[in-house]
Amino acid sequence: GNSVTQMEGPVTLSEEAFLTINCTYTATGYPSLFWYVQYPGEGLQLLLKATKADDKGSNKGFEATYRKETTSFHLEKGSVQVSDSAVYFCALSSGSARQLTFGSGTQLTVLP
Amino acid sequence: GAGVSQSPSNKVTEKGKDVELRCDPISGHTALYWYRQSLGQGLEFLIYFQGNSAPDKSGLPSDRFSAERTGGSVSTLTIQRTQQEDSAVYLCASSIRQGAHTEAFFGQGTRLTVV
Repeated sequence: GNSVTQMEGPVTLSEEAFLTINCTYTATGYPSLFWYVQYPGEGLQLLLKATKADDKGSNKGFEATYRKETTSFHLEKGSVQVSDSAVYFCALSSGSARQLTFGSGTQLTVLP
Repeated sequence: GAGVSQSPSNKVTEKGKDVELRCDPISGHTALYWYRQSLGQGLEFLIYFQGNSAPDKSGLPSDRFSAERTGGSVSTLTIQRTQQEDSAVYLCASSIRQGAHTEAFFGQGTRLTVV
């Protein structure tokens, strides 16, 4: 079956630090990969996605590259801001399954 | 509406009571999903509706859980004889169609507390 494993948190960084949140997956077929973000008091929002190998998703300074050879989709940002404090979820969807499969989420806190 | 709307936003209920949670998907979205987010856990898939097809109920944790979707739009998740382990945030999402590449839009969730 499908599964997503992501880096356990919480992660605490200073403003302008480099961020990496690791995500690896197991899936049947050729999945699409997603990063969702949940800001305090808000619902889940799609941050970025990639639908095939070697695709790079990017949004708001965040990037993630679909690596089929390492079954990974690590989230990176070169310089985090206090406003990036949130919970980040890695997820996948494959053609054989209708729903998203989520990782357990990583709490990020950015200090000024 | 502009986004997925869920109500109530918070619900406190006594153990053993039944609760109903409502989801209004984005207009025109044919796919609707329910997930559960327990404290410290990821999101757990519960049930999926696609158009007029039979729902995929494979994620429902017990027969106390049921859901319906009337007229292909609004959905209600019902939990009967609630237990303390049912306490969680229940999230609804919709997408324009079913498909691996399709973005799902989430509501803000209903926080259920069973006391």
